[in-house]
Amino acid sequence: AQKVTQAQTEISVVEKEDVTLDCVYETRDTTYYLFWYKQPPSGELVFLIRRNSFDEQNEISGRYSWNFQKSTSSFNFTITASQVVDSAVYFCALIVMEYGNKLVFGAGTILRVKS
Amino acid sequence: GAVVSQHPSRVICKSGTSVKIECRSLDFQATTMFWYRQFPKQSLMLMATSNEGSKATYEQGVEKDKFLINHASLTLSTLTVTSAHPEDSSFYICSASRDRNYGYTFGSGTRLTVV
Repeated sequence: AQKVTQAQTEISVVEKEDVTLDCVYETRDTTYYLFWYKQPPSGELVFLIRRNSFDEQNEISGRYSWNFQKSTSSFNFTITASQVVDSAVYFCALIVMEYGNKLVFGAGTILRVKS
Repeated sequence: GAVVSQHPSRVICKSGTSVKIECRSLDFQATTMFWYRQFPKQSLMLMATSNEGSKATYEQGVEKDKFLINHASLTLSTLTVTSAHPEDSSFYICSASRDRNYGYTFGSGTRLTVV
């Protein structure tokens, strides 16, 4: 079965704090892609990152960084020096090739950044 | 590149009427499009996979006669909610895939309210 677990339902931080959003996935396939999306109050899904199962390198993009660890089936997302504009729902998602290229979403984590 | 346009963004309709939602890929050909439904404060649930020129594949529990999907061209898929009822009120969002290596681009979503 393919499953994505985002155990943190909601996180509140004060501006400039660092925050890590957890994502744990399950799949028996060896070829898969992991994603993070941001959904601001407007509703549109904003693509943040895609990582394939063969690339375990961590990635940094500005204040965003991602830690992919196959050993623990985790793909965690860290925002450094959070800002109020980072307030949104963040979804981790998984595509498994054998599952017909369908995106399986986690439940999402609501991030609230207070000024 | 990879822009997906979804219309309308909001629609209010009376019970018993039908509503059509359009999803267009503006700068690429989308052989596959996906339709999701999102209830308030919940994750995205895949409703169906729409393939150009063939019948849509519906997820378990989704009524295909109620949610009609048509993917008549490589740039347009439509979702028609037939005989809408208040329980159909939700946020509907489409995504288009050029191929799995490009990830998925999402439309801006349609908020449907049935009164």
